[in-house]
Amino acid sequence: NAGVTQTPKFQVLKTGQSMTLQCAQDMNHNSMYWYRQDPGMGLRLIYYSASEGTTDKGEVPNGYNVSRLNKREFSLRLESAAPSQTSVYFCASSYSGTGIYEQFFGPGTRLTVL
Amino acid sequence: DQQVKQNSPSLSVQEGRISILNCDYTNSMFDYFLWYKKYPAEGPTFLISISSIKDKNEDGRFTVFLNKSAKHLSLHIVPSQPGDSAVYFCAARWSTSYGKLTFGQGTILTVHP
Repeated sequence: NAGVTQTPKFQVLKTGQSMTLQCAQDMNHNSMYWYRQDPGMGLRLIYYSASEGTTDKGEVPNGYNVSRLNKREFSLRLESAAPSQTSVYFCASSYSGTGIYEQFFGPGTRLTVL
Repeated sequence: DQQVKQNSPSLSVQEGRISILNCDYTNSMFDYFLWYKKYPAEGPTFLISISSIKDKNEDGRFTVFLNKSAKHLSLHIVPSQPGDSAVYFCAARWSTSYGKLTFGQGTILTVHP
């Protein structure tokens, strides 16, 4: 079992460039999430998808779009990257049953926007 | 507005002693709390959790305590080991928003041999 996988691991962009971060999970989870981690800020939720076909905004959605491609895959797109989007991005997934709330995280994508 | 706060950015402990990591929250709509551990260049991994209807949950060396009246939870690690050195995040689940977690800022724990 690979769990949650993310590609790429590292990326450097210039201001204004676009890119898509890919995430896939093989645990048959219904819910998937995108977070960003910045020093001293913890993990902040960007977007989440409670189930296939649905997406909702989190705390910090501005500048991002998401696509829940199928049950396994949830991608995050930066249409016009800005230096403020320099961060480490984590994808996570979770089972959607009652009483089980643990989220499983991928290894992260470290993004630098120059 | 930080609804989940970890006020200690770092904690240093001697091997074999107890580590106590603290977390405060402000929102009464949280119904479940989790602790995650994160090593450098890796994603966070789940450590232990507690429902808001309980005040203690134990798993091996790790115990989480919840004081609802004070809106405070703590993670106790006994005995601490050098391999426990990592960043620890507390997180709270919204009872009204399916699956969403709000994370604290994290505490860097260093366990010295």
